[in-house]
Amino acid sequence: GESVGLHLPTLSVQEGDNSIINCAYSNSASDYFIWYKQESGKGPQFIIDIRSNMDKRQGQRVTVLLNKTVKHLSLQIAATQPGDSAVYFCAEKRVRSYIPTFGRGTSLIVHP
Amino acid sequence: KAGVTQTPRYLIKTRGQQVTLSCSPISGHRSVSWYQQTPGQGLQFLFEYFSETQRNKGNFPGRFSGRQFSNSRSEMNVSTLELGDSALYLCASSLAGATSHEQYFGPGTRLTVT
Repeated sequence: GESVGLHLPTLSVQEGDNSIINCAYSNSASDYFIWYKQESGKGPQFIIDIRSNMDKRQGQRVTVLLNKTVKHLSLQIAATQPGDSAVYFCAEKRVRSYIPTFGRGTSLIVHP
Repeated sequence: KAGVTQTPRYLIKTRGQQVTLSCSPISGHRSVSWYQQTPGQGLQFLFEYFSETQRNKGNFPGRFSGRQFSNSRSEMNVSTLELGDSALYLCASSLAGATSHEQYFGPGTRLTVT
């Protein structure tokens, strides 16, 4: 997995806009891909996951897209709100492993 | 349902000392995992416990150890602290089973080593 560096990629959006956060993964054998949200001073919070045999999954205001051809994962947040401001991590894991590998986080800043 | 709790939330220790961190998982969750989070390395897996047995272990030195009790509560211990051990230590719990990939994290313990 990748490491979160001192300077995270940052995405700045206006309230109400749609946000797209991207993640590249490395293990083509991964069975699950998971998105977490981490607000300042808190632990990561599970948002949504997707199995490797799917290419799209929708939740409440969020959609995850999986492109296995280019090993790319994205999280789309509709009508972004100030409360969505956080660091977002993707993670990959295999079914028989309980150890997710976390990717580099992206800092989302939502301006009112 | 109460979430994952970790104690203490903040801790300051001196090099060479040891520290014990505690984690109480969500009721009914039998798997507890520990992670270290630093700005330089991101989230790194330490170890995972299930039914009082260490089931998985990350690539950390033997100074890092843990255990799980019969009520699923877990502790991790770091001996002979080094400055580089300063980090946010996160605990996560999940249900048993091969598809139990949905982990719930606690707020973390912020450890500062001086």
